[in-house]
Amino acid sequence: DQQVKQNSPSLSVQEGRISILNCDYTNSMFDYFLWYKKYPAEGPTFLISISSIKDKNEDGRFTVFLNKSAKHLSLHIVPSQPGDSAVYFCAASGEGGSEKLVFGKGTKLTVNP
Amino acid sequence: GAVVSQHPSRVICKSGTSVKIECRSLDFQATTMFWYRQFPKQSLMLMATSNEGSKATYEQGVEKDKFLINHASLTLSTLTVTSAHPEDSSFYICSARRGSWHYGYTFGSGTRLTVV
Repeated sequence: DQQVKQNSPSLSVQEGRISILNCDYTNSMFDYFLWYKKYPAEGPTFLISISSIKDKNEDGRFTVFLNKSAKHLSLHIVPSQPGDSAVYFCAASGEGGSEKLVFGKGTKLTVNP
Repeated sequence: GAVVSQHPSRVICKSGTSVKIECRSLDFQATTMFWYRQFPKQSLMLMATSNEGSKATYEQGVEKDKFLINHASLTLSTLTVTSAHPEDSSFYICSARRGSWHYGYTFGSGTRLTVV
């Protein structure tokens, strides 16, 4: 039973355009959501997070939107750069106060010059 | 920023031997660290939660006698894969949380284990 789903295994965009990565979750008890970027053979790097009491969080080129009623969140990258090419993981936490992260399977983003 | 150092980055071992992986928080103390495993093109799966000074908490389906976790200090957790077999070959990653939720979790660089 996959509680965090990233239904698009890959996404390709042109440099300068917007990248939108989507994530759905099934557990309404999650109260904290995070996005990570990962290069092959490396550990994930924290990008941005959002708590369930907010619907938007912005940090530079990265914005995360949360729609609790739809159990959906998205990561927007504007403008996209070739260096953004990586696998992006959505993660959720907080069920019952737990610190455990539940990860999606990731979306491979390719930004073409 | 918070740094988590993980060693070794890559290890090849013979079937039946044991391998130890270290995870250190370099500039902060971590009472809790987490160990994940990632199969190719799959998500990161939490194996266990490592608690300083007490026993680790293992996720369902993870053999605690096979994957020994020790959290001897506030900056060091180790994962020992005992009697390794080829099916244990995977990418193992540790993480630690520093401070509040806003810092997120800091991950180590991962260890690629290959059992031959």
